Amino acid sequence: GAVVSQHPSWVICKSGTSVKIECRSLDFQATTMFWYRQFPKQSLMLMATSNEGSKATYEQGVEKDKFLINHASLTLSTLTVTSAHPEDSSFYICSARTGALDTQYFGPGTRLTVL
Amino acid sequence: GENVEQHPSTLSVQEGDSAVIKCTYSDSASNYFPWYKQELGKGPQLIIDIRSNVGEKKDQRIAVTLNKTAKHFSLHITETQPEDSAVYFCASSGGGTSYGKLTFGQGTILTVHP
Repeated sequence: GAVVSQHPSWVICKSGTSVKIECRSLDFQATTMFWYRQFPKQSLMLMATSNEGSKATYEQGVEKDKFLINHASLTLSTLTVTSAHPEDSSFYICSARTGALDTQYFGPGTRLTVL
Repeated sequence: GENVEQHPSTLSVQEGDSAVIKCTYSDSASNYFPWYKQELGKGPQLIIDIRSNVGEKKDQRIAVTLNKTAKHFSLHITETQPEDSAVYFCASSGGGTSYGKLTFGQGTILTVHP
């Protein structure tokens, strides 16, 4: 149980284009989903927290107009990187949490490369 | 905000030996401490977690200890195997406005030599 999927697993795009990444909880309902960013050989940095049906809460320094997050259902959250630039290239990972428990289950990640 | 320090950054052991990774945290309100294993190119996998009302938890070869007074917790892996080689992250979940958010340590690259 507690499986989280992400799609796509990797994506290459041209500078200036937008990319959408999907995060799904496959066997449980996720009241809260989180989006992280990880640079090579570094730790995970929380970007934003999204609760189903409400606006996402962004961490300090994360541009909310650049990283659009939608959590339309209890099993799906999306992250859209708008007008992507090479510096947005990174490993993006989502996690999902159910109910009142703290436990977060992570997706497999999406490797974004912006040319 | 919460700050989590993790040591060592790299750890090399022989197969069969034990490995210990230590973390300290700053927020005394933190009450949940998970450990994740991340293999190259994959997302983190939860391997064990502990809550503040427990001092120790064990799951087969893996154990975690928590000292709330000193604000540190440790991961112990016994009888290490080559497949244990990965990056391990500790994390803490704070209270108050940070409830539910995980703050990660810097990670430990564990290499188990056959």
